[in-house]
Amino acid sequence: GENVEQHPSTLSVQEGDSAVIKCTYSDSASNYFPWYKQELGKGPQLIIDIRSNVGEKKDQRIAVTLNKTAKHFSLHITETQPEDSAVYFCAASMGSNYQLIWGAGTKLIIKP
Amino acid sequence: GAVVSQHPSWVICKSGTSVKIECRSLDFQATTMFWYRQFPKQSLMLMATSNEGSKATYEQGVEKDKFLINHASLTLSTLTVTSAHPEDSSFYICSAMDSITGELFFGEGSRLTVL
Repeated sequence: GENVEQHPSTLSVQEGDSAVIKCTYSDSASNYFPWYKQELGKGPQLIIDIRSNVGEKKDQRIAVTLNKTAKHFSLHITETQPEDSAVYFCAASMGSNYQLIWGAGTKLIIKP
Repeated sequence: GAVVSQHPSWVICKSGTSVKIECRSLDFQATTMFWYRQFPKQSLMLMATSNEGSKATYEQGVEKDKFLINHASLTLSTLTVTSAHPEDSSFYICSAMDSITGELFFGEGSRLTVL
C-alpha cells in the first residue's frame, strides 16, 4: 500500500526566513496531496493542497510543489511568522474516497 | 466556511465506563466521515470509515466492539469508546467529507482521559 515519509521531524527557523518540509510517497497512483497545520490541542486544518495534474500551487506565503516523477512534494512557507509555529502534516490519497495516508508530521518552530 | 463540530472537546472518565464522542457537519451533508486517533507527538491514525446508513469499515487492529461507530444521519457520526481503560486515553479526531464537493473537513478533536 501507500507509504508517506515526511522530513524533517523538527524544523527550527528564524522569523522571516523560509521553511521547507518535504514528503515522499510510494504509490504512483496517488493523485491528491494536501498539507495540514495542527496547533496544539486542535484538529488539523487544511492549508493547501495539490493534485497530480499540477506542478505547483501558491497561496500568499504558502506554496506546494509536486514532482510526480520523483514522487515527492514539498511545502514552502516564506517570510515565516511566529503564528506559523505548529505541526505540519502531509498526506496522500489515491482515490475519490479521500482515505488519506499521513506523513509523520513536522514540528515547525519559528524563533523570534 | 464549512465547519465540523466535535463534542465534547475533552472528557475525563473512570475506567470501565463508556464515552460517546459526537461529530457533526454543521453546514453540509457528509455521507462519509472518518475517525482518527492521535497519540502525543504522533501522526493521525485512521481508525474507521463511517458511511451513513451502513456499518463502519474498521482499520486493521481496531476493535469494532470496543469502538462503536454510528452514522445515523448525513450530519452526525458518533464514536463510543466502550469499557474505557487508561490505554484508550488519546486525542480522537473526526473528519467529514462534503457529499457534494468531496472536500474533507476536520473537527477540533476530543481529548479522552481515562483514569
